[in-house]
Amino acid sequence: SQQGEEDPQALSIQEGENATMNCSYKTSINNLQWYRQNSGRGLVHLILIRSNEREKHSGRLRVTLDTSKKSSSLLITASRAADTASYFCATVGRDDKIIFGKGTRLHILP
Amino acid sequence: GAVVSQHPSWVICKSGTSVKIECRSLDFQATTMFWYRQFPKQSLMLMATSNEGSKATYEQGVEKDKFLINHASLTLSTLTVTSAHPEDSSFYICSANRTPYEQYFGPGTRLTVT
Repeated sequence: SQQGEEDPQALSIQEGENATMNCSYKTSINNLQWYRQNSGRGLVHLILIRSNEREKHSGRLRVTLDTSKKSSSLLITASRAADTASYFCATVGRDDKIIFGKGTRLHILP
Repeated sequence: GAVVSQHPSWVICKSGTSVKIECRSLDFQATTMFWYRQFPKQSLMLMATSNEGSKATYEQGVEKDKFLINHASLTLSTLTVTSAHPEDSSFYICSANRTPYEQYFGPGTRLTVT
């Protein structure tokens, strides 16, 4: 079964704008991860945030985690055409299973 | 970084035949590997957890007799789709744990059953 619910399901923005995607989950986690997937391709790991962390940065990516609300957000700043992809949050529990959310399809308009 | 490979990358088979997909961790040992299935425009669904030397643990709703998993060594897990049907056509992705916090995904195998 799926753990996370991404919001929005689809997002189209102009190149250069910031893109924000949200993820909510249901059970306790060890960490939460964000992945990118280009159409028909494999997964690319973007960032991992542990349950005791609140915010993490990696290049143009900023991830927040609120364990009290069981939610996370991924912010991509200064978006580029190459950022067009599907983005998934994934939670990891004590059993080490990675459970994926439904994903957000991001489309960057030129 | 750690590398996980899958073979084949794509396969077409006829309905009723069986197909084996391999997942290998190339530069590390993985006591645990996971198998996922992804239908078009959908997310990845965990199918089963594969532990070296023991039986796989299947998620609810996944038929263990249809999706046979063998984790024969610390670097190899195989998924066999038995008596495949068109509804089994999907993208199958494996992942391998190097440590509990490091899980690496394979590039996926696209299965088309005709």
